[in-house]
Amino acid sequence: DAKTTQPTSMDCAEGRAANLPCNHSTISGNEYVYWYRQIHSQGPQYIIHGLKNNETNEMASLIITEDRKSSTLILPHATLRDTAVYYCIVRDLNAGGTSYGKLTFGQGTILTVHP
Amino acid sequence: SAVISQKPSRDICQRGTSLTIQCQVDSQVTMMFWYRQQPGQSLTLIATANQGSEATYESGFVIDKFPISRPNLTFSTLTVSNMSPEDSSIYLCSVETDYEQYFGPGTRLTVT
Repeated sequence: DAKTTQPTSMDCAEGRAANLPCNHSTISGNEYVYWYRQIHSQGPQYIIHGLKNNETNEMASLIITEDRKSSTLILPHATLRDTAVYYCIVRDLNAGGTSYGKLTFGQGTILTVHP
Repeated sequence: SAVISQKPSRDICQRGTSLTIQCQVDSQVTMMFWYRQQPGQSLTLIATANQGSEATYESGFVIDKFPISRPNLTFSTLTVSNMSPEDSSIYLCSVETDYEQYFGPGTRLTVT
């Protein structure tokens, strides 16, 4: 799987939008961009994924650049409960055999939402 | 989505003993995964456990140390054998459904 690069930490004021960047310059055509987050002492939580079009769900929006070498996860109105480690992962959904389903977690971005 | 429970939620074990961690899912799923998260670190995949086949282990993990069972489509166990303090970690199971992976709450293991 292609590697991703994320800032180590970010801060955001409560109620403001949190924009979390991710670089994946070696992403291949079959690889999707996935975002997970892990709130302290909990298991990771799926947020959103996309291939090349922008995606939005009830939790967040995912903006992928046209060349697919980077993306941004947007939490439109951050709350204190959004404080977590956010992981950007690229994944080949067409991978077969033992590679299918494997998620390779990096160190992620520690997002701290302040009152 | 899938709701996953794990037992025990935490345990403190002595060196040289073994602990079996259970993972229960509220729906039938083919693919189940076991991860380890060492203190202050990210998650590392231990193995993939599909029902009806032998578990597939990642580099650095072996069946003698981490035997896995997958008797049906809703349940799996991971055993941490002959434990040492280096095995102190959070162990998480996850399942794949509709191209999304859902994680259990984890089992926090401390080996003394």
